[in-house]
Amino acid sequence: AQSVTQPDIHITVSEGASLELRCNYSYGATPYLFWYVQSPGQGLQLLLKYFSGDTLVQGIKGFEAEFKRSQSSFNLRKPSVHWSDAAEYFCAVGVTGGGNKLTFGTGTQLKVEL
Amino acid sequence: GAGVSQSPSNKVTEKGKDVELRCDPISGHTALYWYRQRLGQGLEFLIYFQGNSAPDKSGLPSDRFSAERTGESVSTLTIQRTQQEDSAVYLCASSLEGFSENTIYFGEGSWLTVV
Repeated sequence: AQSVTQPDIHITVSEGASLELRCNYSYGATPYLFWYVQSPGQGLQLLLKYFSGDTLVQGIKGFEAEFKRSQSSFNLRKPSVHWSDAAEYFCAVGVTGGGNKLTFGTGTQLKVEL
Repeated sequence: GAGVSQSPSNKVTEKGKDVELRCDPISGHTALYWYRQRLGQGLEFLIYFQGNSAPDKSGLPSDRFSAERTGESVSTLTIQRTQQEDSAVYLCASSLEGFSENTIYFGEGSWLTVV
């Protein structure tokens, strides 16, 4: 069965600094990979997804993520963080033929210092 | 509607009572999902509907949990004889078909507190 690990529970960065949130997955074949953001009182919003092709994917709000098969990773990056990026970020892996369900990591809480 | 709608947004219930949570998916979305999010934890998959059938119920934690979907639209998640460990946010999501190549859209969730 697939699994997702987000090793950082909390991360604090200064506004304007760069950001990298780590995500490692476990799955035998090429997975479908996702990053979602959850702001207080709001639902989950999709930032970006990887299905195939170019391993560097661009998402909304200036985020990008890179799929590295050799490291089983799909880290999320942003070159310059804004105070409004403070939220919880979830990495997820999906497999077809497995009920179309997503398996989520436990999330990383991002705090942005002004 | 424009997005996935869930009701109630908040529910406080006494231990042992039954609760029903409702999900209205985006119009035309044939795939519907229920997830549970406990405080400080990630999302746990509960059940997936394709149309009105549920090919994957593997995430339902016990026989106290059930879900149905009618008319390829509204879905109801029912929890019988609620326990305190059922306290969580229950999230519904939908997509055009399966998630492959299709974005899954989440609702804002139903916050359930069992006292």
